[in-house]
Amino acid sequence: GAVVSQHPSRVICKSGTSVKIECRSLDFQATTMFWYRQFPKQSLMLMATSNEGSKATYEQGVEKDKFLINHASLTLSTLTVTSAHPEDSSFYICSARDLNRALTDTQYFGPGTRLTVL
Amino acid sequence: GQNIDQPTEMTATEGAIVQINCTYQTSGFNGLFWYQQHAGEAPTFLSYNVLDGLEEKGRFSSFLSRSKGYSYLLLKELQMKDSASYLCAVRGTGFQKLVFGTGTRLLVSP
Repeated sequence: GAVVSQHPSRVICKSGTSVKIECRSLDFQATTMFWYRQFPKQSLMLMATSNEGSKATYEQGVEKDKFLINHASLTLSTLTVTSAHPEDSSFYICSARDLNRALTDTQYFGPGTRLTVL
Repeated sequence: GQNIDQPTEMTATEGAIVQINCTYQTSGFNGLFWYQQHAGEAPTFLSYNVLDGLEEKGRFSSFLSRSKGYSYLLLKELQMKDSASYLCAVRGTGFQKLVFGTGTRLLVSP
Protein backbone atom coordinates (compact mmCIF):
# COMPACT_ATOMS: atom_id res chain seq x y z
CA GLY A 1 0.00 0.00 0.00
CA ALA A 2 0.82 3.73 -0.01
CA VAL A 3 2.08 3.93 -3.57
CA VAL A 4 2.66 7.26 -5.23
CA SER A 5 3.36 7.54 -8.95
CA GLN A 6 4.78 10.37 -11.00
CA HIS A 7 4.66 10.97 -14.71
CA PRO A 8 6.78 11.49 -16.66
CA SER A 9 9.87 10.01 -15.04
CA ARG A 10 12.16 11.97 -17.30
CA VAL A 11 11.60 14.92 -19.61
CA ILE A 12 13.85 17.01 -21.81
CA CYS A 13 12.47 20.23 -23.18
CA LYS A 14 13.56 23.40 -24.91
CA SER A 15 13.96 26.65 -23.05
CA GLY A 16 10.71 28.62 -22.97
CA THR A 17 8.35 25.68 -23.08
CA SER A 18 6.07 24.50 -20.28
CA VAL A 19 6.22 21.08 -18.68
CA LYS A 20 3.49 19.37 -16.66
CA ILE A 21 4.31 16.73 -14.06
CA GLU A 22 1.60 14.54 -12.56
CA CYS A 23 1.59 13.03 -9.09
CA ARG A 24 -0.93 10.33 -8.20
CA SER A 25 -1.67 8.43 -5.03
CA LEU A 26 -2.61 4.99 -6.34
CA ASP A 27 -4.12 3.20 -3.38
CA PHE A 28 -5.06 5.90 -0.92
CA GLN A 29 -6.62 9.32 -0.79
CA ALA A 30 -4.36 12.27 -0.21
CA THR A 31 -5.89 15.58 0.74
CA THR A 32 -2.40 17.02 0.94
CA MET A 33 0.47 16.57 -1.47
CA PHE A 34 3.88 18.19 -1.41
CA TRP A 35 6.22 19.20 -4.21
CA TYR A 36 9.97 19.15 -3.68
CA ARG A 37 12.98 20.00 -5.80
CA GLN A 38 16.36 18.41 -5.38
CA PHE A 39 19.60 19.54 -6.96
CA PRO A 40 22.52 17.11 -7.32
CA LYS A 41 24.02 16.03 -4.01
CA GLN A 42 21.65 18.27 -2.09
CA SER A 43 18.67 17.54 0.09
CA LEU A 44 15.02 18.00 -0.70
CA MET A 45 13.74 21.55 -0.76
CA LEU A 46 10.01 21.96 -0.28
CA MET A 47 8.47 24.11 -3.01
CA ALA A 48 4.81 24.06 -2.11
CA THR A 49 2.07 22.30 -0.23
CA SER A 50 -0.91 21.31 -2.33
CA ASN A 51 -4.32 20.89 -0.74
CA GLU A 52 -7.21 19.32 -2.59
CA GLY A 53 -9.72 21.89 -3.69
CA SER A 54 -7.79 24.94 -2.58
CA LYS A 55 -4.83 27.05 -3.60
CA ALA A 56 -1.35 25.74 -2.98
CA THR A 57 0.86 27.23 -0.29
CA TYR A 58 4.25 28.18 -1.68
CA GLU A 59 7.50 28.36 0.24
CA GLN A 60 9.39 31.59 0.41
CA GLY A 61 11.31 32.27 -2.77
CA VAL A 62 9.24 29.97 -4.98
CA GLU A 63 7.42 31.81 -7.76
CA LYS A 64 3.80 30.72 -7.82
CA ASP A 65 3.28 32.03 -11.36
CA LYS A 66 6.17 29.97 -12.62
CA PHE A 67 5.36 26.76 -10.78
CA LEU A 68 1.63 26.23 -11.17
CA ILE A 69 0.10 23.63 -8.91
CA ASN A 70 -3.34 22.12 -9.29
CA HIS A 71 -4.80 19.57 -6.88
CA ALA A 72 -8.09 18.76 -8.53
CA SER A 73 -8.88 15.46 -6.84
CA LEU A 74 -7.96 13.40 -3.81
CA THR A 75 -5.55 11.34 -5.86
CA LEU A 76 -3.99 13.77 -8.34
CA SER A 77 -1.83 16.87 -8.12
CA THR A 78 -0.01 18.48 -11.03
CA LEU A 79 2.99 20.78 -11.18
CA THR A 80 3.48 22.85 -14.32
CA VAL A 81 6.83 24.52 -14.85
CA THR A 82 6.00 27.45 -17.10
CA SER A 83 8.50 28.99 -19.50
CA ALA A 84 11.19 26.62 -18.32
CA HIS A 85 14.83 27.71 -18.36
CA PRO A 86 18.05 25.72 -17.90
CA GLU A 87 18.25 26.73 -14.24
CA ASP A 88 14.94 24.91 -13.68
CA SER A 89 16.65 21.63 -14.54
CA SER A 90 16.34 19.51 -11.43
CA PHE A 91 14.82 16.41 -9.86
CA TYR A 92 11.20 17.12 -8.91
CA ILE A 93 9.63 14.83 -6.33
CA CYS A 94 6.10 14.78 -4.99
CA SER A 95 4.86 13.21 -1.81
CA ALA A 96 1.44 12.52 -0.38
CA ARG A 97 0.11 12.12 3.11
CA ASP A 98 -1.97 9.04 3.82
CA LEU A 99 -4.43 10.24 6.41
CA ASN A 100 -5.59 6.69 7.08
CA ARG A 101 -2.16 5.94 8.50
CA ALA A 102 -2.94 8.11 11.46
CA LEU A 103 -0.21 6.71 13.68
CA THR A 104 2.66 8.09 11.69
CA ASP A 105 1.02 10.40 9.21
CA THR A 106 3.93 9.59 6.97
CA GLN A 107 4.61 11.21 3.65
CA TYR A 108 5.11 8.74 0.82
CA PHE A 109 7.21 9.84 -2.10
CA GLY A 110 6.79 9.39 -5.80
CA PRO A 111 9.70 8.13 -7.91
CA GLY A 112 10.60 11.62 -9.07
CA THR A 113 10.80 13.41 -12.41
CA ARG A 114 14.13 14.39 -13.91
CA LEU A 115 13.67 17.65 -15.84
CA THR A 116 16.36 18.82 -18.22
CA VAL A 117 15.86 22.16 -19.95
CA LEU A 118 18.10 22.75 -22.94
CA GLY B 1 14.40 29.48 12.18
CA GLN B 2 14.73 25.87 11.19
CA ASN B 3 18.04 24.07 11.25
CA ILE B 4 18.73 20.38 10.82
CA ASP B 5 22.30 19.12 10.82
CA GLN B 6 23.71 15.81 9.69
CA PRO B 7 27.24 14.73 8.78
CA THR B 8 27.82 15.04 5.06
CA GLU B 9 29.47 11.70 4.45
CA MET B 10 30.28 8.52 6.33
CA THR B 11 32.05 5.33 5.38
CA ALA B 12 31.73 1.89 6.92
CA THR B 13 32.58 -1.72 6.22
CA GLU B 14 30.18 -4.47 5.24
CA GLY B 15 28.90 -6.27 8.32
CA ALA B 16 29.69 -3.39 10.66
CA ILE B 17 27.40 -1.02 12.60
CA VAL B 18 27.08 2.67 11.79
CA GLN B 19 25.30 5.48 13.61
CA ILE B 20 24.13 8.56 11.72
CA ASN B 21 23.39 11.55 13.92
CA CYS B 22 20.90 14.34 13.39
CA THR B 23 20.48 17.48 15.48
CA TYR B 24 17.64 19.87 14.96
CA GLN B 25 16.32 23.26 15.97
CA THR B 26 12.83 23.84 14.67
CA SER B 27 9.79 25.88 15.50
CA GLY B 28 7.56 23.21 16.98
CA PHE B 29 7.99 19.47 16.88
CA ASN B 30 5.56 16.79 15.81
CA GLY B 31 7.80 13.93 14.86
CA LEU B 32 11.11 13.04 13.26
CA PHE B 33 11.47 10.85 10.20
CA TRP B 34 14.36 9.01 8.60
CA TYR B 35 14.37 8.29 4.89
CA GLN B 36 16.76 6.35 2.67
CA GLN B 37 17.48 7.66 -0.81
CA HIS B 38 19.50 5.90 -3.47
CA ALA B 39 21.01 8.07 -6.17
CA GLY B 40 18.44 9.21 -8.71
CA GLU B 41 15.54 7.71 -6.81
CA ALA B 42 12.89 9.04 -4.46
CA PRO B 43 13.28 8.72 -0.69
CA THR B 44 11.80 5.68 1.02
CA PHE B 45 10.47 5.79 4.56
CA LEU B 46 12.59 4.09 7.21
CA SER B 47 11.40 5.18 10.64
CA TYR B 48 9.38 7.62 12.69
CA ASN B 49 9.93 8.88 16.23
CA VAL B 50 7.67 11.21 18.14
CA LEU B 51 8.40 10.13 21.72
CA ASP B 52 11.81 9.82 23.37
CA GLY B 53 13.50 6.49 23.06
CA LEU B 54 14.52 3.83 20.62
CA GLU B 55 12.41 2.40 17.82
CA GLU B 56 13.74 -0.84 16.37
CA LYS B 57 12.81 -2.22 12.99
CA GLY B 58 14.96 -5.09 11.80
CA ARG B 59 18.50 -3.98 11.06
CA PHE B 60 17.54 -0.33 11.47
CA SER B 61 16.86 1.50 14.74
CA SER B 62 16.15 5.14 15.38
CA PHE B 63 16.53 7.07 18.61
CA LEU B 64 15.07 10.39 19.68
CA SER B 65 15.76 12.81 22.51
CA ARG B 66 13.41 15.77 22.27
CA SER B 67 15.04 17.69 25.11
CA LYS B 68 18.38 17.55 23.31
CA GLY B 69 16.99 18.05 19.81
CA TYR B 70 18.85 14.92 18.77
CA SER B 71 18.21 11.73 16.87
CA TYR B 72 20.29 8.97 15.41
CA LEU B 73 19.75 6.18 12.92
CA LEU B 74 21.57 2.96 13.69
CA LEU B 75 22.25 0.50 10.91
CA LYS B 76 23.45 -2.98 11.88
CA GLU B 77 24.98 -5.77 9.81
CA LEU B 78 25.69 -3.36 7.00
CA GLN B 79 25.21 -4.58 3.45
CA MET B 80 26.53 -3.10 0.22
CA LYS B 81 22.99 -2.12 -0.75
CA ASP B 82 22.86 0.17 2.29
CA SER B 83 25.11 2.60 0.43
CA ALA B 84 22.75 5.54 -0.01
CA SER B 85 21.88 8.93 1.39
CA TYR B 86 20.02 9.04 4.68
CA LEU B 87 17.75 12.00 5.25
CA CYS B 88 16.59 13.24 8.63
CA ALA B 89 13.34 15.24 8.48
CA VAL B 90 11.40 17.03 11.19
CA ARG B 91 7.70 17.82 11.13
CA GLY B 92 6.87 21.06 12.84
CA THR B 93 3.61 22.46 14.06
CA GLY B 94 0.43 21.98 12.09
CA PHE B 95 1.22 18.40 11.05
CA GLN B 96 2.02 19.60 7.60
CA LYS B 97 5.35 19.96 5.97
CA LEU B 98 8.61 18.22 6.68
CA VAL B 99 11.90 20.06 6.90
CA PHE B 100 14.75 17.95 5.61
CA GLY B 101 18.36 17.92 6.67
CA THR B 102 21.11 17.98 4.09
CA GLY B 103 21.38 14.20 4.17
CA THR B 104 24.27 11.88 4.97
CA ARG B 105 25.89 9.91 2.16
CA LEU B 106 26.88 6.51 3.46
CA LEU B 107 29.38 4.40 1.57
CA VAL B 108 29.64 0.75 2.54
CA SER B 109 32.80 -0.96 1.37
CA PRO B 110 33.61 -4.68 1.22
